[in-house]
Amino acid sequence: GDSVTQMEGPVTLSEEAFLTINCTYTATGYPSLFWYVQYPGEGLQLLLKATKADDKGSNKGFEATYRKETTSFHLEKGSVQVSDSAVYFCALSLYSTLTFGKGTMLLVSP
Amino acid sequence: EAGVTQSPTHLIKTRGQQATLRCSPISGHTSVYWYQQALGLGLQFLLWYDEGEERNRGNFPPRFSGRQFPNYSSELNVNALELEDSALYLCASSYDISNQPQHFGDGTRLSIL
Repeated sequence: GDSVTQMEGPVTLSEEAFLTINCTYTATGYPSLFWYVQYPGEGLQLLLKATKADDKGSNKGFEATYRKETTSFHLEKGSVQVSDSAVYFCALSLYSTLTFGKGTMLLVSP
Repeated sequence: EAGVTQSPTHLIKTRGQQATLRCSPISGHTSVYWYQQALGLGLQFLLWYDEGEERNRGNFPPRFSGRQFPNYSSELNVNALELEDSALYLCASSYDISNQPQHFGDGTRLSIL
C-alpha cells in the first residue's frame, strides 16, 4: 500500500541553522504531496504542497520539491527560528484521503 | 474566513460508553475527513464524507461511524469505547474530491478512563 517515511526526530538545531527533514514515499500512482506542521496543543496546518513532478512548494521560508525519480519530498529552510519548533508531517494523497508519515519533531534553541 | 471547528475540545468517557464528536467544515467545503492521532500510532485515516455520503473508511472497526449533514457538518460516533480509543481526533475539510489540500481543526481530545 501507499506509505510515507520520514526521518526520525527530534531534530535539534540552533536558531539560524539550515534545516532538512527527509521524506520519501511509496505510491501506486502519482500522488499529491504535502507538508503539514503541528504546534503543541493544536491541529495540523498546511505548510506547503506540490501536485506533480518537479513542482516546488514554498511557504514561510520553507521549500520542498517533488522528486519523482527519487520518490522524495524533502523539507528545507535556510534559517530556522525558535518559533519553527513543532512537529512536521509529510503526507501524500492519491484518492483524496491523506497518508501521513510518523512526524518529525523540530526543536530550535536560541 | 472561519476555519474548521470541532467540539468538544476535550471529552472524558469510561469504557463501554459512547462518544459523539462534531465538526463544522470551512464554508464552501463539501468533503469532511476524520483522522485519529493516537500516541505511538501516528495519524490514521478514519472516515471520509462528501455530499452526505461515506466515500471511504480506514482500517477501523464498525463501532467507529459517522454521518454528514445537509449543511456539510459532520459527526463521528464511537460506540463501546475501549481504552485504546484514547486519542486526538482531527477533522479536516476540503473543497472537493480532487486532492485539494485538507484544512484541519484543532481536534477533540478523547480520554477513556
